Amino acid sequence: NAGVTQTPKFQVLKTGQSMTLQCAQDMNHNSMYWYRQDPGMGLRLIYYSASEGTTDKGEVPNGYNVSRLNKREFSLRLESAAPSQTSVYFCASSENRGGGEAFFGQGTRLTVV
Amino acid sequence: AQSVTQPDIHITVSEGASLELRCNYSYGATPYLFWYVQSPGQGLQLLLKYFSGDTLVQGIKGFEAEFKRSQSSFNLRKPSVHWSDAAEYFCAVGATGGSYIPTFGRGTSLIVHP
Repeated sequence: NAGVTQTPKFQVLKTGQSMTLQCAQDMNHNSMYWYRQDPGMGLRLIYYSASEGTTDKGEVPNGYNVSRLNKREFSLRLESAAPSQTSVYFCASSENRGGGEAFFGQGTRLTVV
Repeated sequence: AQSVTQPDIHITVSEGASLELRCNYSYGATPYLFWYVQSPGQGLQLLLKYFSGDTLVQGIKGFEAEFKRSQSSFNLRKPSVHWSDAAEYFCAVGATGGSYIPTFGRGTSLIVHP
């Protein structure tokens, strides 16, 4: 069982460059999420998708866009990377009925120089 | 909107000692509650969860947590800590109505001394 798969695992970008973080889940979950993790800040929600075809902003959406390509895949795009976006990014998925725990990918460590 | 507070940024214990990590939540009804563990360089792994019923829940790796409605708390405990328990621990809450989005606390870093 692959669970939630994120690519890439590591990335270094120059300020102003763009990139897309990919995420796929094989658990047939309706909901998918993108979080960023920064020291002392815990996990903060960037965007989420409650079902295929819908996306909504979370706590820290500025500078990011997302696409729910199909039920399995949920990508996160940085159009013009900034040093403030240096972080570890986690994709997660869950059932969107209450009580379904979130399953996490291994994370993408992104550095913007 | 729901929120989670983990008041301790770091906790240091000796191997073999007992452990309690604190978690307080804010939500208008009984929430779904979770504890996750994150080892260095890894994603988050679910330790245990509370949905309803018995307020003392058992999880993996010998952990347990107790839901106390009157205190809005869901503290994580372990009677005897092992060096391999050193990690980051996150408490999370999920709404029981409306849009279900897990909200996480800032985490508690557990340091285990030999």
